[in-house]
Amino acid sequence: DVLMTQSPLSLPVTLGQPASISCRSSQSLVSSDGNTYLNWFLQRPGQSPRRLIYRVSNRDSGVPDRFSGSGSGTDFTLKISRVEAEDVGVYYCMQGTRWPHTFGQGTKLEIK
Amino acid sequence: EVQLVESGGGLVQPGGSLRLSCAASGFTFNLHWMHWVRQVPGKGLVWVSRISGDGSSINYADSVKGRFTVSRDNAKNTVYLQMNSLRVEDTAVYFCLRNADSWGQGTLVTVSS
Repeated sequence: DVLMTQSPLSLPVTLGQPASISCRSSQSLVSSDGNTYLNWFLQRPGQSPRRLIYRVSNRDSGVPDRFSGSGSGTDFTLKISRVEAEDVGVYYCMQGTRWPHTFGQGTKLEIK
Repeated sequence: EVQLVESGGGLVQPGGSLRLSCAASGFTFNLHWMHWVRQVPGKGLVWVSRISGDGSSINYADSVKGRFTVSRDNAKNTVYLQMNSLRVEDTAVYFCLRNADSWGQGTLVTVSS
């Protein structure tokens, strides 16, 4: 299975400050079709996960533009330009290139 | 609006069976892969199974292979997860997904004596 490793696992951030989460995969996530199926999700307390970013850098509908994704191959990053209170929760990266699809361990973002 | 509503969770003894259902609406159901993902409360997310739009392609995680069966009824816009020989470690919230872009609210399965 493809191992997804996130860091940090805990991320205390001051409101209005930037935040960054790293995700590394144990194998390249470039698919045979040329796409890289790396997604980012946010799970707010008591809620189901919600996808924020798909295929590395594409924001889902309704996702604020303060969220951005980047990376390639095995190394990916989610950035929040200015953290707001509603951004609190656990962030997961997930690869959909190889079966079984796999998630990172999660990064818990909290307000300092 | 995409809606996915899971049902069928509950308390079952080890070795028992449950069938989860996921009723879908708001999109053309037979065009989409459907997935099951589980989450032990307070822990991470694990992919369980997936099924293609026409039901011809199916995959399982090794941890459930031979015990769980995924199926779908495109006339009813519903996907199922039949879970047999349940183990304590299968205890989790089970989510139904359309691709990776839409999630249901989840249904809790508790395997305990």
